[in-house]
Amino acid sequence: GENVEQHPSTLSVQEGDSAVIKCTYSDSASNYFPWYKQELGKRPQLIIDIRSNVGEKKDQRIAVTLNKTAKHFSLHITETQPEDSAVYFCAASRGGSARQLTFGSGTQLTVLP
Amino acid sequence: GAGVSQSPSNKVTEKGKDVELRCDPISGHTALYWYRQSLGQGLEFLIYFQGNSAPDKSGLPSDRFSAERTGGSVSTLTIQRTQQEDSAVYLCASSLGPGTGETQYFGPGTRLLVL
Repeated sequence: GENVEQHPSTLSVQEGDSAVIKCTYSDSASNYFPWYKQELGKRPQLIIDIRSNVGEKKDQRIAVTLNKTAKHFSLHITETQPEDSAVYFCAASRGGSARQLTFGSGTQLTVLP
Repeated sequence: GAGVSQSPSNKVTEKGKDVELRCDPISGHTALYWYRQSLGQGLEFLIYFQGNSAPDKSGLPSDRFSAERTGGSVSTLTIQRTQQEDSAVYLCASSLGPGTGETQYFGPGTRLLVL
């Protein structure tokens, strides 16, 4: 089955700096890669996703890049703000009849004011 | 509209007892998923329902776990003879059917504590 590895497990940045979180996946058939943000005690919320037919996607301060050949994808947050502090999870799925998500282990991002 | 809802929000039970967790998906979503999140860990897939198809149970950790989805909407996850290692947050998610969107929307979860 699919295996998703995520690093770093913790990341501290100064407010205004950029943050990058990286994930690798094992199943070359995976074609959908969402990123979720989970604040303490709350449900995971989708922040951005990418499908395998594109290499990069941006939404304001957030961007995701995908390298299918290397089987890795990354989340980039620019101009970080204290409210970006949360746990971020990457995930992968094959779609179709196997749409369940396989999640990475999470990155605790702390933005220091 | 209303998001995914789950009940109860918290459940404390004694080892060996059975528990039932409920999920109400977003109206019109044909896909429903159950995940488990242990303290400080990622989310672990348990089971997936799509319309009237047979569910994908490949993530259920043991035969003490089962789930059903009645009428293509509400789902119940049942854990029989609970063990302390079952303590976790159980999250439900729903999404539109195949070909119409992959985004999974999560409920608030049920925090289960087995004493």
